[in-house]
Amino acid sequence: DQQVKQNSPSLSVQEGRISILNCDYTNSMFDYFLWYKKYPAEGPTFLISISSIKDKNEDGRFTVFLNKSAKHLSLHIVPSQPGDSAVYFCAASAWDDKIIFGKGTRLHILP
Amino acid sequence: DAGVIQSPRHEVTEMGQEVTLRCKPISGHNSLFWYRQTMMRGLELLIYFNNNVPIDDSGMPEDRFSAKMPNASFSTLKIQPSEPRDSAVYFCASSSGQGYTDTQYFGPGTRLTVL
Repeated sequence: DQQVKQNSPSLSVQEGRISILNCDYTNSMFDYFLWYKKYPAEGPTFLISISSIKDKNEDGRFTVFLNKSAKHLSLHIVPSQPGDSAVYFCAASAWDDKIIFGKGTRLHILP
Repeated sequence: DAGVIQSPRHEVTEMGQEVTLRCKPISGHNSLFWYRQTMMRGLELLIYFNNNVPIDDSGMPEDRFSAKMPNASFSTLKIQPSEPRDSAVYFCASSSGQGYTDTQYFGPGTRLTVL
């Protein structure tokens, strides 16, 4: 019973283009959403978050969009750079309860 | 800042042996989390400590798993006896807040292989 789903295991994007990573969730009680980035042999690193009272949050090249009616969020990276090649985890929490992680999407930035 | 430190980075053991994983959180952080990552189940919370006290251990799979935090700078996760299905990457994370949604800083993980 996966409450946070990342349906694309991998994604390849040309350097300089936009990367869009998608995430769906099933629990309508989730009110806080996060994205983590992970390089090989390292732990996940926090990237960006969004509260359910917002529908967009931007931090430099990274923007997270939240569509509550569709129970969908996405992470946009513009422009994509070689250092963005990593695994990206979508995560969600309800009422400051434990964070539920998706299984991740591996992003490859092509030269 | 050294970040979260975990040891060992890799552990290979035989079924039935005791395994102890260690974690040193970031100095000044008062919350500590142990996670397990597997291909099948992804990244799952095992246990959460706040101010050295276990707050939520609902993710601990069974009695073979135990975790302690004797002081603010050290925690252990013990598996006794270990089984092949315990093979996974175990992460420790710490945060400066009380609760789950303050930014968690992860260590590099311990890759455990149980033969």
